[in-house]
Amino acid sequence: EAGVAQSPRYKIIEKRQSVAFWCNPISGHATLYWYQQILGQGPKLLIQFQNNGVVDDSQLPKDRFSAERLKGVDSTLKIQPAKLEDSAVYLCASGREAKNIQYFGAGTRLSVL
Amino acid sequence: AQSVAQPEDQVNVAEGNPLTVKCTYSVSGNPYLFWYVQYPNRGLQFLLKYITGDNLVKGSYGFEAEFNKSQTSFHLKKPSALVSDSALYFCAVRGWDTGNQFYFGTGTSLTVIP
Repeated sequence: EAGVAQSPRYKIIEKRQSVAFWCNPISGHATLYWYQQILGQGPKLLIQFQNNGVVDDSQLPKDRFSAERLKGVDSTLKIQPAKLEDSAVYLCASGREAKNIQYFGAGTRLSVL
Repeated sequence: AQSVAQPEDQVNVAEGNPLTVKCTYSVSGNPYLFWYVQYPNRGLQFLLKYITGDNLVKGSYGFEAEFNKSQTSFHLKKPSALVSDSALYFCAVRGWDTGNQFYFGTGTSLTVIP
């Protein structure tokens, strides 16, 4: 089966600019996660969707970050405006809740200058 | 609150020798524990999980992990290391008292020396 697809793979922007990331999960996976992985750290959950509903967004900086999964399939994560500390790899993962296994995409590496 | 600790940033082991990557956790209630591996420029890949049952869990690529409730540990092991095992390893826990988030450790870089 096809894996989790993410685009773009790399993005370089200047601070205060906006950026958006796209994720296409594995077909049939109702659960979708966005993680932020800062260099030298483990992934930190930003938001979790179950179908098109938000399950947990407690660690999402809502003043600048937003995410949506309108039809319960693809998802986009947006940062507006970006700060230097947003430089990180943004990982998307999907899974079936009952299996407790997450399948990760390759990630988008964001550099904010 | 849930947390995971990986006390070693770096582990070096000779090819053919046994390897251990350490993980300890803190969680309320029964833990769900996981190991993931990350190769350069790739996403994380699932290796194994402990939910319930036998304390020794076997996973992909010959890896196994032992759940030790008294020591709150879930160390990753492999009897004979391969050069291709060189990667970044993450331990994760899923807790249930503050939602059902996955919490990841900071990772351990494993280098297998030929």
